[in-house]
Amino acid sequence: GAVVSQHPSRVICKSGTSVKIECRSLDFQATTMFWYRQFPKQSLMLMATSNEGSKATYEQGVEKDKFLINHASLTLSTLTVTSAHPEDSSFYICSASPPGWGSLAKNIQYFGAGTRLSVL
Amino acid sequence: SQQGEEDPQALSIQEGENATMNCSYKTSINNLQWYRQNSGRGLVHLILIRSNEREKHSGRLRVTLDTSKKSSSLLITASRAADTASYFCATDAAGGGADGLTFGKGTHLIIQP
Repeated sequence: GAVVSQHPSRVICKSGTSVKIECRSLDFQATTMFWYRQFPKQSLMLMATSNEGSKATYEQGVEKDKFLINHASLTLSTLTVTSAHPEDSSFYICSASPPGWGSLAKNIQYFGAGTRLSVL
Repeated sequence: SQQGEEDPQALSIQEGENATMNCSYKTSINNLQWYRQNSGRGLVHLILIRSNEREKHSGRLRVTLDTSKKSSSLLITASRAADTASYFCATDAAGGGADGLTFGKGTHLIIQP
């Protein structure tokens, strides 16, 4: 099946620093990727939709200046948590759907392994 | 936005028994999917059922969908210790477009050997 790689898997940083998380589709091109956030023992919440070559679409309540998304190529989207604070500590997961799935089976998403961010 | 709700939140059964998890949602959907997540890991797609389907099978998995009740169930038969994980339903809203998924709160399944 399709493979989505996410890096790093874990990052610990000091408060006030910025952290970049990469999401790569390894064997397919993805014009759209998605970024989710998951707090401990809770469900995933969609943060934003990353669109190749254009601005990301953010969900309500997600600060676009706080969570910078760049989708510069068809295989790479990055999420930068700027000036991270302890409340940003969470599990961040990206996903992508391979093209050509068609309207009937669209939206089967393949997920990265996730990045656990701990801000001290 | 719609929000899936799973129940039970946690389920502990003996190996070999069947496990049933339920999911409810609020708005019209194109399809409903079930994903599995091992602790601290990414999600793995298990099965997709379209809005015009009522039941679907995949190996030991059986999914039902009742659009009139806006609910779905996931049955895992002959459970194994390796099935221990969290299971999430996810929906995409009807209307087309490349939308992110809306996930339920998940059911944490523990299979005791």
